[in-house]
Amino acid sequence: DTGVSQDPRHKITKRGQNVTFRCDPISEHNRLYWYRQTLGQGPEFLTYFQNEAQLEKSRLLSDRFSAERPKGSFSTLEIQRTEQGDSAMYLCASSFVSGTEAFFGQGTRLTVV
Amino acid sequence: RKEVEQDPGPFNVPEGATVAFNCTYSNSASQSFFWYRQDCRKEPKLLMSVYSSGNEDGRFTAQLNRASQYISLLIRDSKLSDSATYLCVVIATGGSARQLTFGSGTQLTVLP
Repeated sequence: DTGVSQDPRHKITKRGQNVTFRCDPISEHNRLYWYRQTLGQGPEFLTYFQNEAQLEKSRLLSDRFSAERPKGSFSTLEIQRTEQGDSAMYLCASSFVSGTEAFFGQGTRLTVV
Repeated sequence: RKEVEQDPGPFNVPEGATVAFNCTYSNSASQSFFWYRQDCRKEPKLLMSVYSSGNEDGRFTAQLNRASQYISLLIRDSKLSDSATYLCVVIATGGSARQLTFGSGTQLTVLP
């Protein structure tokens, strides 16, 4: 499968714990995006990388959130001290620099209890 | 005001009906426009890009009105398999920004 893959697909954690998600983009893609989606809403932008550089972060990305893309390939999104409001689907997408279509992974569904 | 706003829906239509969704965007610097489709508990997938002159792909027609900052999607002869949430997506460029901004989505159910 050469699409965008995310791991894990589901995560249940207790409030206050740290969680880390991984995204493996399509290998030729330079751009990588993280989005968050809650029920009944469209995906909300969190952050975006071009190669290893994090070029933009949303105000939604509080200081408890951090994302990395150390070698310009896979990316991780860490949430520290999780809160119940962090429960959502976290989606990763990738695209070419010059392209416009973004391909999404199947997402990581986070439940904070 | 949200950057991208869509008809709230839900739309429930019989098979074979024609249905239209609308979307408005607030950022006049927006340059690229798309419709994505999202099935229940699945990831969004590109349905079609929207071009200035309007474009058609089979039963689907997309239109763009830059002056009114308005995008539409028309589905003709709707099928049961068209049941999904349709997301309007806009890309506004500025600096290094190239993020996709999504509307909240319009839910379509095609009824037998």
